[in-house]
Amino acid sequence: KQEVTQIPAALSVPEGENLVLNCSFTDSAIYNLQWFRQDPGKGLTSLLLIQSSQREQTSGRLNASLDKSSGRSTLYIAASQPGDSATYLCAGSGNTGKLIFGQGTTLQVKP
Amino acid sequence: DTEVTQTPKHLVMGMTNKKSLKCEQHMGHRAMYWYKQKAKKPPELMFVYSYEKLSINESVPSRFSPECPNSSLLNLHLHALQPEDSALYLCASSQGDSWDTQYFGPGTRLTVL
Repeated sequence: KQEVTQIPAALSVPEGENLVLNCSFTDSAIYNLQWFRQDPGKGLTSLLLIQSSQREQTSGRLNASLDKSSGRSTLYIAASQPGDSATYLCAGSGNTGKLIFGQGTTLQVKP
Repeated sequence: DTEVTQTPKHLVMGMTNKKSLKCEQHMGHRAMYWYKQKAKKPPELMFVYSYEKLSINESVPSRFSPECPNSSLLNLHLHALQPEDSALYLCASSQGDSWDTQYFGPGTRLTVL
């Protein structure tokens, strides 16, 4: 059974800092890994999707990597801004296609 | 356009009421999903429709009844809910199967009194 864990649960950084959010999964038979952002009381915004055959994806200041052998994915945010403050969720898709979510990392970027 | 819309934004209902949540997408996606999210928890999958047919039901109580009238619309019919069903209900869609990027709507905040 796939389990997804995110560390840390919460993170507070000053504006401009580069940061890394971690996601680990127990089943290496993962089809893809998706990173989402969620603002309080809102829906999820898809940030990046990494297919199992890929190692990383980039979008603007965001870079996500996937290492199936170690069961890890990281989301790198460069030059963080107060507008980046949100909860970040990673989710893995296994052979059923069902998304299994981690508990999320709540990020606060202070001006 | 990667928009999924949901109505209503907020819903308050009594335990004897019948109500429906609606979800719509015009991206030509053929898979649609309902998730339930409790406060400070990640979303939990409830139902998946693939090509307008129910493909996954995560053992959801029968007081929740999904319906997919066509490829663009997804409804969730609610009847005899319990206070513990209060949550944010999220709809999502993807191109084909669940391996594709899922796009989420803003959700319906449901309160059951």
